[in-house]
Amino acid sequence: KQEVTQIPAALSVPEGENLVLNCSFTDSAIYNLQWFRQDPGKGLTSLLLIQSSQREQTSGRLNASLDKSSGRSTLYIAASQPGDSATYLCAPEPDAGKSTFGDGTTLTVKP
Amino acid sequence: NAGVTQTPKFQVLKTGQSMTLQCAQDMNHNSMYWYRQDPGMGLRLIYYSASEGTTDKGEVPNGYNVSRLNKREFSLRLESAAPSQTSVYFCASSTGRGYTFGSGTRLTVV
Repeated sequence: KQEVTQIPAALSVPEGENLVLNCSFTDSAIYNLQWFRQDPGKGLTSLLLIQSSQREQTSGRLNASLDKSSGRSTLYIAASQPGDSATYLCAPEPDAGKSTFGDGTTLTVKP
Repeated sequence: NAGVTQTPKFQVLKTGQSMTLQCAQDMNHNSMYWYRQDPGMGLRLIYYSASEGTTDKGEVPNGYNVSRLNKREFSLRLESAAPSQTSVYFCASSTGRGYTFGSGTRLTVV
């Protein structure tokens, strides 16, 4: 059974800081790993998708890495802004069986 | 270019009433999923369907039934709604290239 852990559960930083969100998973039989953003009361917005054959993906100030063999992914946010405040979820997509999401990291960026 | 469409967006039910949440995707994805998200919590898998004609229980299936009507549509039925089923319900689909989510159904059972 896949277990997904996201650390830290909550993070508060001043504007402008670089930060790292961590995701670990127990089953490496995955097609890919996806990072989502969720604003309060809203749906999920896909940020980055890393296929299992890839090591990292970048989009603007966001960079996500994947080490499938060790069951780890990180989301790096550069020069954080108050608009980055949200909950970030990681989701490894299994090549068979049930999908499991992490509980997320709630980020607050203070002006 | 609709992606995943969920209906309705909002619903209020009385305890004991039944209803069906509808989900349709137009991306030819094999797998479809139903999740619930309670306030301040993560997503919990209710049921999923790996392909047309198959369904399997997820983490929290009690009180729900599903139907994979065809490759496009995956419905979730509450036979006798309970206040504990008050939640936001998300449908998603995938085919090995990441998940696509619907916008959610906010359900309140009074």
